[in-house]
Amino acid sequence: SQQGEEDPQALSIQEGENATMNCSYKTSINNLQWYRQNSGRGLVHLILIRSNEREKHSGRLRVTLDTSKKSSSLLITASRAADTASYFCATALIQGAQKLVFGQGTRLTINP
Amino acid sequence: DVKVTQSSRYLVKRTGEKVFLECVQDMDHENMFWYRQDPGLGLRLIYFSYDVKMKEKGDIPEGYSVSREKKERFSLILESASTNQTSMYLCASTPWAGFYEQYFGPGTRLTVT
Repeated sequence: SQQGEEDPQALSIQEGENATMNCSYKTSINNLQWYRQNSGRGLVHLILIRSNEREKHSGRLRVTLDTSKKSSSLLITASRAADTASYFCATALIQGAQKLVFGQGTRLTINP
Repeated sequence: DVKVTQSSRYLVKRTGEKVFLECVQDMDHENMFWYRQDPGLGLRLIYFSYDVKMKEKGDIPEGYSVSREKKERFSLILESASTNQTSMYLCASTPWAGFYEQYFGPGTRLTVT
């Protein structure tokens, strides 16, 4: 199974509501990152959280990391239609090549 | 701003053709990556490069090769395209170790018929 798995696979909410996406992983990490992808486009880096950090904020984004549970969550507050996109978590493993392992993504739809 | 460009947004090729996908970054980044993205499978790493003329296999290198003759350019080559290589191909770069923030190009959607 995948190193990084997002949950849910798809999420549909009303504009203004908060959206929460989760990511679980299996092996020890150096850091965990979240990316956004608008339909048919490249990925855009949102936030990086290191293994010794528990929470990080960037604007309307809040990321938490629980290394004991090997999980992370991305919270988008006060969602907007422009937040409609796919969101991917990517883990940077401690051992092995210096690369990222991406999950399958969560498709977020914000309804006006 | 970092800019990563890919040679084509859409490409249609026939089975057996040799296909070149090019990626150029303008920020003097050391590390470059090629991924393919398929529904339900996320992004999978094909090849990456830490330096000019240097390459490392990713998770799914079969059927692909790469070339990095100049620091800013990383090419992905499909030696003999097959229908199962129909996919979205994404290039990325980073100035630091490969597990830090990566900057992505817009992607090339390749269809092999």
